[in-house]
Formats: sequence, C-alpha cells, structure tokens
Amino acid sequence: EAGVAQSPRYKIIEKRQSVAFWCNPISGHATLYWYQQILGQGPKLLIQFQNNGVVDDSQLPKDRFSAERLKGVDSTLKIQPAKLEDSAVYLCASSLGVGSTDTQYFGPGTRLTVL
Amino acid sequence: AQSVAQPEDQVNVAEGNPLTVKCTYSVSGNPYLFWYVQYPNRGLQFLLKYITGDNLVKGSYGFEAEFNKSQTSFHLKKPSALVSDSALYFCAVRDIPGNTGKLIFGQGTTLQVKP
Repeated sequence: EAGVAQSPRYKIIEKRQSVAFWCNPISGHATLYWYQQILGQGPKLLIQFQNNGVVDDSQLPKDRFSAERLKGVDSTLKIQPAKLEDSAVYLCASSLGVGSTDTQYFGPGTRLTVL
Repeated sequence: AQSVAQPEDQVNVAEGNPLTVKCTYSVSGNPYLFWYVQYPNRGLQFLLKYITGDNLVKGSYGFEAEFNKSQTSFHLKKPSALVSDSALYFCAVRDIPGNTGKLIFGQGTTLQVKP
C-alpha cells in the first residue's frame, strides 16, 4: 500500500515570496491534515479536511496561508507571502475518517527554509 | 484542554539495555494516546496507540507502551534497545473535546542508543 506522498521535499525561498506544497493521501482516506513542525517542537495542526470540506482551520494564519482539497483527494498548501518564521517542516497526514481511534499516517514532509 | 508532556529532551541507553521514553497526559474524558517515531529527514511513523482495554499496548519494531490511569502516564518501552532505534519520539493525544481528530503532540524526546 502506497503511503502519503508529498512534494517537494525541500524548498528554499526569500521572504515575501510565495510557495506551494502538494500532498497525495493514502488511497481511500477521507481525512487529510496539514501540520507545521518547527525545529525542536512537536507538529501543530494547521488545517484538517474531511473529503473536500474544512473541518478545522482554527490555527491556520489565514492572512498568508491557504489550502484546498478540491476533489477530495490530493491537497495543496500555499504560503503567500512567506515570513522568516514560516521556516519549518510541513507534514501532511491522512486517516480513514475522523474517528477517535483512527490512526493518522504521515508523509515525509517538506522542509521549507525562508531566507 | 488536552495536552501531553515529555519530560526528557534526550534519553541515552546502551545497546541491549531496556529503554523507557516517558509521557504524561492531561485530558478531559477518555484518553486516546499515540506514539510516533521520526528519523532524520523523514516523516512521522506510527508505532502504537491506546484506545481502551489492556493497559499494555504492543506496537511496531518491538516497542510497547504502558497506560497508567492513576499516574496519567503512557511510557514507551522496549526490552532491548538497538542502535537503529536512535531517533526522535513523539507522544500525542487526540483532541477529543474538539471532536476534529487532530493530534496534540509533545515536544519530543531524542533517543540515543550507543553500541
């Protein structure tokens, strides 16, 4: 079974530039998550989709971050304009549903460096 | 609010010795607890989870975790450590009151297994 795919794996940009990340979840998984992991910290949820609807985006900095999952499968996360503090690893995860017992499976992440 | 704490930034053990990585939790209601491992430049890999039932949970790669309700702990254990177990370990709790399925992670504990 293929895992969660993410691209690119690494990205270096200047501040104020824009960047986009792509995620393809495990086949059949209805729920998709984007987490931000700053160096030395645990991941923090940015946004959660159930199929193509947003379940939780309370921690997403909406003035600069946006995300979509138009067909309920793959998803893109965009940052525009980027700030220095956005340097982090962006992890995508998926699960079958939103049940309490559902396990989230993570992709390899995209490491973003903002200069 | 749900939270987990990993009191040790780093744990050092000799290969072949037993290892323990500590995690304590604070939840309202029933706890749903998870352990993940992160190798350098890789995403998080699921190890095991506690939902209900037996307090000793067995997971991948020979790891197990002991749920202790009275001490609100969920420590990760392995009887005999391998050098290849050296990685960053995260404990997480499901955000049940939020009912969104998001995971709340601890800060992580670096495990160093020396030959």
